[in-house]
Amino acid sequence: AQRVTQPEKLLSVFKGAPVELKCNYSYSGSPELFWYVQYSRQRLQLLLRHISRESIKGFTADLNKGETSFHLKKPFAQEEDSAMYYCALCNNDMRFGAGTRLTVKP
Amino acid sequence: NAGVTQTPKFQVLKTGQSMTLQCAQDMNHEYMSWYRQDPGMGLRLIHYSVGAGITDQGEVPNGYNVSRSTTEDFPLRLLSAAPSQTSVYFCASSFRGTGGYEQYFGPGTRLTVT
Repeated sequence: AQRVTQPEKLLSVFKGAPVELKCNYSYSGSPELFWYVQYSRQRLQLLLRHISRESIKGFTADLNKGETSFHLKKPFAQEEDSAMYYCALCNNDMRFGAGTRLTVKP
Repeated sequence: NAGVTQTPKFQVLKTGQSMTLQCAQDMNHEYMSWYRQDPGMGLRLIHYSVGAGITDQGEVPNGYNVSRSTTEDFPLRLLSAAPSQTSVYFCASSFRGTGGYEQYFGPGTRLTVT
């Protein structure tokens, strides 16, 4: 069965520091992985997906099939990055991790 | 395009009452899904649909019914509300294009069951 694990519920960093939000998955096939972001009391928005290998708002994520990970990284965090971040895996349906709340302190 | 819309935005129910959460999309997407969002548990899939007339259960389907009579609409029915169904409910529509799977979320419905 497909499963997504985000081991950190809370993550706090100072502005300008690097940030890494961890995501591990279990899936027997070729995964299609995503990161979504949810700013305070807003709907979820797609941040990026591994298939497009893009950088959005300075964030990148690399799929590591050997470690079954899809960690989200940003070299210099900004206060406006404070939000909930969800990792998700798509098979026939989309399954989400429990989410990590990122707080970027001034 | 309005995208994915949900009504109502807020709802308070008493235990045992029934109600329907509405979801509509105007993007002609094949797939639609309902999730509930609870603190510490992320988003959990309730039901989903891969096309009009086709629905299937997700992770937490008990206590909820869905139907998909049109491509545009995917209502979620609570048959007999319970306090455990207090949550924020998100509807999403999605499609699989040449660039892969894309999913769009509605603004959410905050439901409280007392």
